[in-house]
Amino acid sequence: AQSVTQLGSHVSVSEGALVLLRCNYSSSVPPYLFWYVQYPNQGLQLLLKYTSAATLVKGINGFEAEFKKSETSFHLTKPSAHMSDAAEYFCAVTDYGNNRLAFGKGNQVVVIP
Amino acid sequence: DGGITQSPKYLFRKEGQNVTLSCEQNLNHDAMYWYRQDPGQGLRLIYYSQIVNDFQKGDIAEGYSVSREKKESFPLTVTSAQKNPTAFYLCASRGGGMNTEAFFGQGTRLTVV
Repeated sequence: AQSVTQLGSHVSVSEGALVLLRCNYSSSVPPYLFWYVQYPNQGLQLLLKYTSAATLVKGINGFEAEFKKSETSFHLTKPSAHMSDAAEYFCAVTDYGNNRLAFGKGNQVVVIP
Repeated sequence: DGGITQSPKYLFRKEGQNVTLSCEQNLNHDAMYWYRQDPGQGLRLIYYSQIVNDFQKGDIAEGYSVSREKKESFPLTVTSAQKNPTAFYLCASRGGGMNTEAFFGQGTRLTVV
């Protein structure tokens, strides 16, 4: 089954600094990958998704992610953190054959003023 | 407006009682999912359904049951057999193929005392 790994449960970043959240996938076939954001006590909202059309994917709120097959990675970045980026971020992958959607353990982002 | 509705937002139950969490969608999506979220654990799949009258166990199905009698509805019952039911529960739906994103409800926070 396909899976994703997110390291470092808590990530602190200064306001205006680069946000970098890492996601590595395990898949023997081209994966369908997603990044979601969750604000406290709410559901998840899609930030962006990779579906093989382009390796650099732009999403909402200034986030983007680059698919690198050689590194089996789909890291999420934002050039300049804003206080409103404080949230939890999840990487996810579709499991081929059964349409399951598997999530990583998430990164809690704290933005320091 | 189209979307997914979970109710109630907060739910309290006594230990040993079964409880049913509601999930309704008007997005005309075929696939629906139930996830459990605990701090530091990410989202873990409980059950999912790809069509009406069919559903499959996820990774942590023990102590839970579901039904899918209507396309719009996918209720989750937390039974007394679930040893640690206190958690945040998220319902999601998905239309189209494996490259489509899932849409999430706002979640139900269940506390068992």
